[in-house]
Parts: sequence; structure tokens; C-alpha cells
Amino acid sequence: EVQLVESGGGWVQPGRSLRLSCVASGFTFDDYAMHWVRQAPGKGLEWVSSINWNSGSIGYADSVEGRFTISRDNAKNSLYLQMNSLRAEDTAMYYCVKVHWGSTSRPNGLHMWGQGTMVTVSS
Amino acid sequence: QSALTQPASVSGSPGQSITISCTGTYSDVGAHNYVSWYQQHPGKAPKLMICDVSYRPSGVSSRFSGSKAGNTASLTISGLQAEDEADYYCSSYTSTNSYVFGSGTKVTVL
Repeated sequence: EVQLVESGGGWVQPGRSLRLSCVASGFTFDDYAMHWVRQAPGKGLEWVSSINWNSGSIGYADSVEGRFTISRDNAKNSLYLQMNSLRAEDTAMYYCVKVHWGSTSRPNGLHMWGQGTMVTVSS
Repeated sequence: QSALTQPASVSGSPGQSITISCTGTYSDVGAHNYVSWYQQHPGKAPKLMICDVSYRPSGVSSRFSGSKAGNTASLTISGLQAEDEADYYCSSYTSTNSYVFGSGTKVTVL
């Protein structure tokens, strides 16, 4: 069974940093690209970032470019999101997501989602 | 990266068919066949219903189908059931190596 367990969320003041982690199990982690997607309270989904299987291809939403860094450690079956210079508008549930098609770097459906970790940015 | 345009709400009676549209531009929906659809029930994580415009992942009901024409993608739910009541989001890969979601559609089963 595929499992994605996020951690690292919490309350943080504007301008500070936070690092999210996602531990994956139940599949061959280094076969799949991974994504972070967020959802502000009562709002829609917003794509944040993606990383391919070997970290050779990385993408960011304009809203987080230059502030957030995605990374992965295939030896630890883990995905990370380093979030710096946090703003109130970054307040959201952050989901770790596994793509549908493995063994490819092509664009992909976001297949398996974790339960999310909540990030609240407020003074 | 402007959000794709979806109707705010769509409703139908049990057994009916409904269609949700998702309108983008030549640089996202119109540029690729990488459109996906997600279902989200309140308080739950989203679920992938359709990817690659019309591919249905294992375990997804055949009542769900996807299509695309130009810059507009569509999700059709046939034989509407009470359990289909949820929020639905489309998503597309874009020409700038990013993804964009739609604004979301609330489906109500009357």
C-alpha cells in the first residue's frame, strides 16, 4: 500500500523558515517524480513544486520561486520542501504527491496524495 | 500562471449526466495532452480521476470520462450518484515546465 506521510508543518512568523518532509513507502520511490501541492483554508488547489526521479528536473510556481527549494533523498525514500521568507499567503495545507506514471520524466497525473501538513504563517 | 477557468458549480439529479468544463490557453490546456481531473470530498485529500485528458486510473469508475477540444477540457460524470457530490479540479501541464489548477467546481447531486 502506498503511503505518504508529511511532517514539519506548524505555526511560524512571517519572514521565517520551515522545512517540510514526506516519507514514502509501498512503492519504488526513485522510479517516480514527486510534487508538493498546497491548499489555503477554504480555497482551491495550488501547485507548488515538482522534482523528477533523479533531481535533474525541478519546477516551481511563480509564487514560491526563489523562496522555496524542493529536494529528495532516494536512499531515505524522502521528499523535502525548504520554505524560506514565509508570507501570510503561504498559509495552507501542504500535500506530498506521487505521480501516476513511473520510470518517466514526462508530465504526469498527481496520483497518490498524503494527508497533508498544515503551515500557518502569522505574527 | 493564471488558474484555469471552471464553473463554480454544477448540479444534476441522480442518474443524469453532467459535464464540467475547464478552459485554459494555448500555453497550457491547448498545448499538451496532459490534463488531469481531481475529486475532493470535504476534509479529504484530492483523488486523481482522469489523467492524460482521458485516461482513467485503476479503480476509478467508468462513469467518469474526459475529453479536450482546443483550449477547453471537459469531465463528464454519467449516471450521477450521491457519492459524486464533491469539489472537482482540473489541472494542466504548461509550456513553462509547471502545472496549473482550475478554480474548482462544486458538484451537487439534487
